[in-house]
Amino acid sequence: QVQLVESGGGVVQPGRSLRLSCAASGFTFSVYAMHWVRQAPGKGLEWVASISYDGSNEYYAESLKGRLTISRDNSKNTLYLQMYSLRPDDSAMYYCGRGRQLVADSWGQGALVAVSS
Amino acid sequence: QSALTQEASVSGTVGQKVTLSCTEAKNNIGSYTVAWYRQVSHGAPKTVMFGNSLPSGIPDRFSGSKSGTTSSLTISGLQPEDEADYFCSTWDYSLNAVVFGGGTKLTVL
Repeated sequence: QVQLVESGGGVVQPGRSLRLSCAASGFTFSVYAMHWVRQAPGKGLEWVASISYDGSNEYYAESLKGRLTISRDNSKNTLYLQMYSLRPDDSAMYYCGRGRQLVADSWGQGALVAVSS
Repeated sequence: QSALTQEASVSGTVGQKVTLSCTEAKNNIGSYTVAWYRQVSHGAPKTVMFGNSLPSGIPDRFSGSKSGTTSSLTISGLQPEDEADYFCSTWDYSLNAVVFGGGTKLTVL
């Protein structure tokens, strides 16, 4: 059973950094690409970033480039999203998803990030 | 504005067949896998259609199809528990990005 568990969310002040983690289990993590997607309150799903199975390729939403780093540790079955210079409009639920054929086929429950002073 | 266009809202009665559509101006839908996700009350997304495959646990009254630049999700025999927001997604080759539709709110009357 695929299981993805996000952690690291919380309340953070504008301009600060935050790192989200996504612990994967129930599948061979090292052979799958992974995605981060977010959803602001009352809004739709917004793609944030993706990373290839071995971490050699990273892809970012154009609007977020320069403020994010996606990474993974295949030895720990864990995906990360490091966010910098956070702004109030970064407030959202952040979901990690397992990648297959370039889109996500399974999702975690999400980590809530609130950027507020 | 979303890269993929979906109806803002669709409604149907119990037992009815409804079709949700996902259209784009490019040709990514024709070239790449389209996934459909259901989201209830802004909870975690759940995949209800992946390409032409039905994920485990999704009833077979859900079906998917593609024609040109449009992907469709059909629900036959609509049930009250099908009421949710539905999002489509695919890969955009020119953007090197995952793209989503704006979502369709399905109401079961």
